[in-house]
Amino acid sequence: QVRLEESGGGVVQPGRSLRLSCAASGFTFSSHTLHWVRQAPGKGLEWVAVVSFDGNKFYTESVRGRFTISRDNSGNTLYLQLSSLRPEDSGLYYCARQDKSLDYWGQGTLVTVSS
Amino acid sequence: QSLLTQPPSVSAAPGQEVTISCSGSNSNIGSEDVSWFQQFPGTAPKMIIYENNKRSSGTPARFSASKSGTSATLGITGLLPGDEADYYCAAWDRGLSVGMFGGGTRVTVL
Repeated sequence: QVRLEESGGGVVQPGRSLRLSCAASGFTFSSHTLHWVRQAPGKGLEWVAVVSFDGNKFYTESVRGRFTISRDNSGNTLYLQLSSLRPEDSGLYYCARQDKSLDYWGQGTLVTVSS
Repeated sequence: QSLLTQPPSVSAAPGQEVTISCSGSNSNIGSEDVSWFQQFPGTAPKMIIYENNKRSSGTPARFSASKSGTSATLGITGLLPGDEADYYCAAWDRGLSVGMFGGGTRVTVL
């Protein structure tokens, strides 16, 4: 069955960096576009970034230039490199698979940016 | 800031119907497919509607959706206590090349 498992979250000071990972299994990873979506505590969903099956990348404006999405098709892993972190970047980060829509989601990894 | 606009909350008695609106623009809802997601507290979102009006596997027929112009609507009939959740619309914006979600609507069963 399709499985997505995020990791790499933690508590980090403003201005520092963090790398999130999303390990995928149960489907042909290289054939799918993949997304990161985040959710601040008590808030709604916010789309963050996408990497297409053929490597195109797009970002929401607030993270452009600070976050980098990438994928390792040989290791079936999606990444999100977070740099120059701000308190407003805090939240639960989900990876999601796209197949017509975001049909499978992981359980999320929590990022807390605080001094 | 969400560029898709949803009401913060809707409510109705068990067995009744609720509708949730999602308003966007020509560059997102007006030209791209809309999806709907259901999220219970402490859990990951779940896709319930894709391509504007198609129910995901396992989504009851009590859930329906439509799109017209730059707006979309999710309807839930025969409301059950288990339908209490947050519901989000989503669409790609081809002008900005970003994905976007609505702010979310909390459904309360009275």
